[in-house]
Amino acid sequence: AQKITQTQPGMFVQEKEAVTLDCTYDTSDQSYGLFWYKQPSSGEMIFLIYQGSYDEQNATEGRYSLNFQKARKSANLVISASQLGDSAMYFCAMRGINTGGFKTIFGAGTRLFVKA
Amino acid sequence: DTAVSQTPKYLVTQMGNDKSIKCEQNLGHDTMYWYKQDSKKFLKIMFSYNNKELIINETVPNRFSPKSPDKAHLNLHINSLELGDSAVYFCASSQAGLAGVGNTGELFFGEGSRLTVL
Repeated sequence: AQKITQTQPGMFVQEKEAVTLDCTYDTSDQSYGLFWYKQPSSGEMIFLIYQGSYDEQNATEGRYSLNFQKARKSANLVISASQLGDSAMYFCAMRGINTGGFKTIFGAGTRLFVKA
Repeated sequence: DTAVSQTPKYLVTQMGNDKSIKCEQNLGHDTMYWYKQDSKKFLKIMFSYNNKELIINETVPNRFSPKSPDKAHLNLHINSLELGDSAVYFCASSQAGLAGVGNTGELFFGEGSRLTVL
């Protein structure tokens, strides 16, 4: 069975500093994709970044980077130069080959608070 | 032009009633989903449809009946509503199958429909 674990229910970071949100996963799939989504207080779900299991380089998208350590089954999100608008819930997610790519599961989320 | 739109955004109803939520996507995706987000923000997949065919049914009670008239639409009908059905229901879509070149397979979400059962 697939599982995503986010062990940090809440995190605080000072504006302009970097923060790492942890994510570990468990899967028997040979091929899978890892995602991070942001949910601001307004409620919409925003896709941030993707990492394929066979990608050798860590994914980056602007201030977001994904620290992918396959052997440790971790896919941490790093946000550099935090901004007040980064305050939100962050979800790690995964979908794998064994479900044909038709099932994306989510972790419990981490609520990030950015302090001015 | 909204990519994934769902209506209504808010539903307030009594226990035992029936309600429907509609979803439409204009992204040309083959796969659509329903997710339930509970009060603790946990997101759980309910159904996955590909080209109008049910692919994933995550042991959802049969009071929940999805219907996909075409691959751009996925509706959710809920019978005999219970207090525990109160949640935000998200519709989403993605390109079919596994991620590949030019297709990360990310989900595109609607704005959510907040259902409150009294």
